[in-house]
Amino acid sequence: KAGVTQTPRYLIKTRGQQVTLSCSPISGHRSVSWYQQTPGQGLQFLFEYFSETQRNKGNFPGRFSGRQFSNSRSEMNVSTLELGDSALYLCASSFLTTGGRETQYFGPGTRLLVL
Amino acid sequence: AQTVTQSQPEMSVQEAETVTLSCTYDTSENNYYLFWYKQPPSRQMILVIRQEAYKQQNATENRFSVNFQKAAKSFSLKISDSQLGDTAMYFCAFIPSFGNEKLTFGTGTRLTIIP
Repeated sequence: KAGVTQTPRYLIKTRGQQVTLSCSPISGHRSVSWYQQTPGQGLQFLFEYFSETQRNKGNFPGRFSGRQFSNSRSEMNVSTLELGDSALYLCASSFLTTGGRETQYFGPGTRLLVL
Repeated sequence: AQTVTQSQPEMSVQEAETVTLSCTYDTSENNYYLFWYKQPPSRQMILVIRQEAYKQQNATENRFSVNFQKAAKSFSLKISDSQLGDTAMYFCAFIPSFGNEKLTFGTGTRLTIIP
């Protein structure tokens, strides 16, 4: 079974631009979560989507948004980029049931550099 | 709110030796999962081992095992016969079994295996 894939793997943008990152979950997984990882703040939760609905949201400004499509693929968008948005963005998918949560499996990440 | 604490920022051990990484957590939940993830220099977050809180038996995966002490809210990872490929950041993580909760990570332990 193929793992979680993220595109692009690397991205360089300038301040003020916007960016869209994509995540394709493991087949059959309908929950997709996004995390931002920086040396200073560690791993921070951005949001989780399940069946095209946002289930949970972290403490990030409105410039960070996401969505999920009917095939469970998810995108996150960051508008008006700031230098502090430079980070590794990780996507994780899991198989969520009424019986509870399953393990989250991570993609390779997208490394974003804002100049 | 849940918190996860990893008190060892860095550790090093000789190849083939055994090393134990510490993790404590705080929660009022009774049903939850605990994980150890490994993040090598490639930055891919890889699941090492998972423990369900309702299971008294400690989880094991080949050379990796945990010491789960629910009452003490402690979840340590033991790596036996350490190998050079074990060099990585190790993150302890927690998530409630139910509800719209996010995966909460510790700050990580940087483990170096010395040849």
